[in-house]
Amino acid sequence: DSGVTQTPKHLITATGQRVTLRCSPRSGDLSVYWYQQSLDQGLQFLIQYYNGEERAKGNILERFSAQQFPDLHSELNLSSLELGDSALYFCASSVAASGLSTDTQYFGPGTRLTVL
Amino acid sequence: AQSVTQLGSHVSVSEGALVLLRCNYSSSVPPYLFWYVQYPNQGLQLLLKYTTGATLVKGINGFEAEFKKSETSFHLTKPSAHMSDAAEYFCAVSDRNADGLTFGKGTHLIIQP
Repeated sequence: DSGVTQTPKHLITATGQRVTLRCSPRSGDLSVYWYQQSLDQGLQFLIQYYNGEERAKGNILERFSAQQFPDLHSELNLSSLELGDSALYFCASSVAASGLSTDTQYFGPGTRLTVL
Repeated sequence: AQSVTQLGSHVSVSEGALVLLRCNYSSSVPPYLFWYVQYPNQGLQLLLKYTTGATLVKGINGFEAEFKKSETSFHLTKPSAHMSDAAEYFCAVSDRNADGLTFGKGTHLIIQP
């Protein structure tokens, strides 16, 4: 158990809909990262937040957005869903602020999103 | 831009045999390198990482990896495979200016009894 929790475990929805994925980082970790794992694209970094502020962006679509709240939990919002958005979405956390990329990222168990 | 190439999407070894999973990277700056393992229906777990210093890095579960700058490689090895090692293994790179990890496509390790 990494100490990172994600809810829900599974999510099934229809095209065009909007969903919210939730992540609680390990106690004491200030950085939260979101990754998408799909069969065709593999594991891709989406976005990072540090202590409530966006710090880095990866291959995140404009239909996707995220935020980190004062209690440090984070939410990933996916809107206007398409079939291709079906994937496993991971959240990871670390102590690190931007620039300390040596710190280990601890991954949650993931949320499996199925878009029908 | 950085990238990671893992040679072999599937590797099969006999129990007790040497495990060798290959990883090559490209990075415009000295990289930080990581190996993660993913068991079925679970998240990723860090096996080991290289940041600076000694190029031979020891990790959990008997795994180790050697950073070879001249070959831009970071291959993962284990002297003797165990059935419990069957999983998906990911090599990842991070440069000093980015915080998200860039992952390889992964190698599925199969252990034959």
